[in-house]
Amino acid sequence: EAGVAQSPRYKIIEKRQSVAFWCNPISGHATLYWYQQILGQGPKLLIQFQNNGVVDDSQLPKDRFSAERLKGVDSTLKIQPAKLEDSAVYLCASSLNGQGLTGELFFGEGSRLTVL
Amino acid sequence: KNQVEQSPQSLIILEGKNCTLQCNYTVSPFSNLRWYKQDTGRGPVSLTIMTFSENTKSNGRYTATLDADTKQSSLHITASQLSDSASYICVVSSQAGTALIFGKGTTLSVSS
Repeated sequence: EAGVAQSPRYKIIEKRQSVAFWCNPISGHATLYWYQQILGQGPKLLIQFQNNGVVDDSQLPKDRFSAERLKGVDSTLKIQPAKLEDSAVYLCASSLNGQGLTGELFFGEGSRLTVL
Repeated sequence: KNQVEQSPQSLIILEGKNCTLQCNYTVSPFSNLRWYKQDTGRGPVSLTIMTFSENTKSNGRYTATLDADTKQSSLHITASQLSDSASYICVVSSQAGTALIFGKGTTLSVSS
């Protein structure tokens, strides 16, 4: 079974530039999550999708971050304009329909962003 | 406030030795507790998931325990190997919430 796919693995940009990350969840997983993990910290939820609808985006900095999940499969997370404090690993995860809290959560390898 | 605290922050042990990592939480009402292993530069991988009624769960050389009364969990690693060097993250789910609550992790280094 293929896992959660993310790209790019690494990205270096200058502040005020824009960047986009892509995630393809495990086939059949209706729930998709984007997490931000700053070095030395645990992951922080940015946004949760159920199919193509947003369940929770309370911690997403909406002035600069946006995410979409068209057709309820792949998802894109965009940052525009980037700030130095956005340097982090962006993890995508997926789970079976609504089971992220009670069942298994599968993470991708992450996309490491460095903002200079 | 729902929180998950892990200790120690970091740990260095010799290959072949055992170690125990701790997790204390204040999440209520409790649903389940998981331990994840995160290798450097990789995404977290689930080791165990325990619900309220489970006291212990094993996954190979990893054994997790849960005391729901004292809101404590531990992860015991037996006969450590170099490949056990990683960050171990404790994650708690609340019945009332919509998001998982992550600890900051314990960084384990196993040396030869």
